[in-house]
Amino acid sequence: AAGVIQSPRHLIKEKRETATLKCYPIPRHDTVYWYQQGPGQDPQFLISFYEKMQSDKGSIPDRFSAQQFSDYHSELNMSSLELGDSALYFCASSTTGTNTGELFFGEGSRLTVL
Amino acid sequence: QKEVEQNSGPLSVPEGAIASLNCTYSDRGSQSFFWYRQYSGKSPELIMSIYSNGDKEDGRFTAQLNKASQYVSLLIRDSQPSDSATYLCAVGTGTASKLTFGTGTRLQVTL
Repeated sequence: AAGVIQSPRHLIKEKRETATLKCYPIPRHDTVYWYQQGPGQDPQFLISFYEKMQSDKGSIPDRFSAQQFSDYHSELNMSSLELGDSALYFCASSTTGTNTGELFFGEGSRLTVL
Repeated sequence: QKEVEQNSGPLSVPEGAIASLNCTYSDRGSQSFFWYRQYSGKSPELIMSIYSNGDKEDGRFTAQLNKASQYVSLLIRDSQPSDSATYLCAVGTGTASKLTFGTGTRLQVTL
């Protein structure tokens, strides 16, 4: 079965650079979520999109932005990178309905900021 | 107080024993409850979902929900070394909404 696809899997950037992460949700899933997980921490919700519109916003810094495109893939753009942005970034997708909230996660993109 | 609280562990159980993982949440409006398993460096994987009070069983896993006590638990019967992972409790408050995760309980199943 198709899963959530994230790219790139690993990314190394310098401070103050920009980075873009991509996410391709499971086909026919209408909601995409972005989570950030620092070392030894729980996943922190950043932002979500439902049918290409932003549906909820969490602890996403102003330096970050995200969008969902017409083909339902989503991109997380991060600018003016800081050392503290080093983390695993997970994208997840789900479908509304009886199993609302059952998220299926991608393998994650590991961002290292030097 | 965190919205979703778990004991970080590690919780150590011998192979074949029952592992009991607990989670409390603060938002009484929470409607959906999930357990995710996460191996080190890997993505969270959905194990169980529960939406109403009581028990829900799936194979070796049983989720228990008590909304009055704002408590959800996960029992793993006949624990196997491959069950060794961090178990994340997650709570949702509505449709198409974000999940709030606990910090996770690290389970170690010993031979």
